[in-house]
Amino acid sequence: HSALTQPPSASGSPGQSVTISCTGTSNDVGGYNYVSWYQQHPGKAPKLMIYEVTKRPSGVPDRFSGSKSGNTASLTVSGLQADDEAEYYCYSYAGSSSYNYVFGTGTTVTVL
Amino acid sequence: QVHLVQSGAEVKTPGASVKVSCKASGYNFPSYHLHWVRQAPGQGLEWMGLINPRGGSTSQAQMFQGRLTMTRDTTTNTFYMELSSLTAEDTAVYYCARVLGTPDAPPHYWGQGTRVTVSS
Repeated sequence: HSALTQPPSASGSPGQSVTISCTGTSNDVGGYNYVSWYQQHPGKAPKLMIYEVTKRPSGVPDRFSGSKSGNTASLTVSGLQADDEAEYYCYSYAGSSSYNYVFGTGTTVTVL
Repeated sequence: QVHLVQSGAEVKTPGASVKVSCKASGYNFPSYHLHWVRQAPGQGLEWMGLINPRGGSTSQAQMFQGRLTMTRDTTTNTFYMELSSLTAEDTAVYYCARVLGTPDAPPHYWGQGTRVTVSS
């Protein structure tokens, strides 16, 4: 299964918003509401920020929001803060008869 | 609280196998799927597979078919990931990660990662 497509980079000034896209196919992103987003700082394990397209795990600020339209999911980070500077990955269920998942290519978010 | 503690770094020669352990604590072991994810140096995350600890059934990415074995020991609450026929392209940090809740939920609780280096 091919990796989901994300832009290599995105940036914004503190307080601004940035939106990252994640494009797949009807066999993954478009076919299921099981899209998640992870934040990863250098040398650290990934952190789950969004799951099931729009839901936030406990402790994740509401500055992080997710959406989906067709085969493309999006993560929006509002009110950018310095600590938001990280790599972001989308993740989608891609199975039909068995569990199968795929990550996106990753987007580096820079806070200017 | 949920803890996943992985085994230490490994250095292997091409063609060898590596077995990484992931000891779970702080939750009901049989109730949550466990995923394996790897990350090559400077590269993105790659989903490898998952195991249902209740019965031991597994699912894995097609690219690892025949090389990847995931098991669990319910007496010690430990998961294992064994990858065989290693090549330099298998050099990566390997993570175990427990799902948030339901079987369809994504990985949420992560181990600290195990660095595997394949070099002659």
